[in-house]
Amino acid sequence: AQKITQTQPGMFVQEKEAVTLDCTYDTSDPSYGLFWYKQPSSGEMIFLIYQGSYDQQNATEGRYSLNFQKARKSANLVISASQLGDSAMYFCAMSSLGDMRFGAGTRLTVKP
Amino acid sequence: EAQVTQNPRYLITVTGKKLTVTCSQNMNHEYMSWYRQDPGLGLRQIYYSMNVEVTDKGDVPEGYKVSRKEKRNFPLILESPSPNQTSLYFCASSLRAASSYEQYFGPGTRLTVT
Repeated sequence: AQKITQTQPGMFVQEKEAVTLDCTYDTSDPSYGLFWYKQPSSGEMIFLIYQGSYDQQNATEGRYSLNFQKARKSANLVISASQLGDSAMYFCAMSSLGDMRFGAGTRLTVKP
Repeated sequence: EAQVTQNPRYLITVTGKKLTVTCSQNMNHEYMSWYRQDPGLGLRQIYYSMNVEVTDKGDVPEGYKVSRKEKRNFPLILESPSPNQTSLYFCASSLRAASSYEQYFGPGTRLTVT
């Protein structure tokens, strides 16, 4: 069965510094997608970044990058130059065909 | 504006009283899905639909029903709600069911069953 694990319930980072949010996954499917979503206190789910299981290069989207280590089954999110508006819950997710699994989330707090 | 809408946004009901949460998308997406979000558990998939008339169980389907008669709508039905179904519910859609498509989420429905 597919499984996603986020081991950091909460993280703190100083404004303008970089932070890494951890995500590990487990699947026997050769084809899958890995996603990160942000959920601010207002509640909406915001897509941040995607990595395909066959992609050779790590995905990047502005200040977000995904550190994909396939052999270790990890897909960590790196946020560079943190901003106060980055304070939110962050969810890692894995999709294979129709099935979608989310981790428990990491609450990131950016300190001024 | 491309969006996923859910109604109602908030609902308080009593045990056993059937209810339906509607979900609609205007992006001509093939894939739609329902999730529930509970503290410490993240989002868990309830049901999903790969296309019209095609639905499948997710991780936590017990106590829920769905139907997909039209491409744009994917209602979630609770035939006999119980207090353990108190949760925040999200509907989402994506262009296709393949694993490379991001999902667009609705605003959420907060359900309380007393």
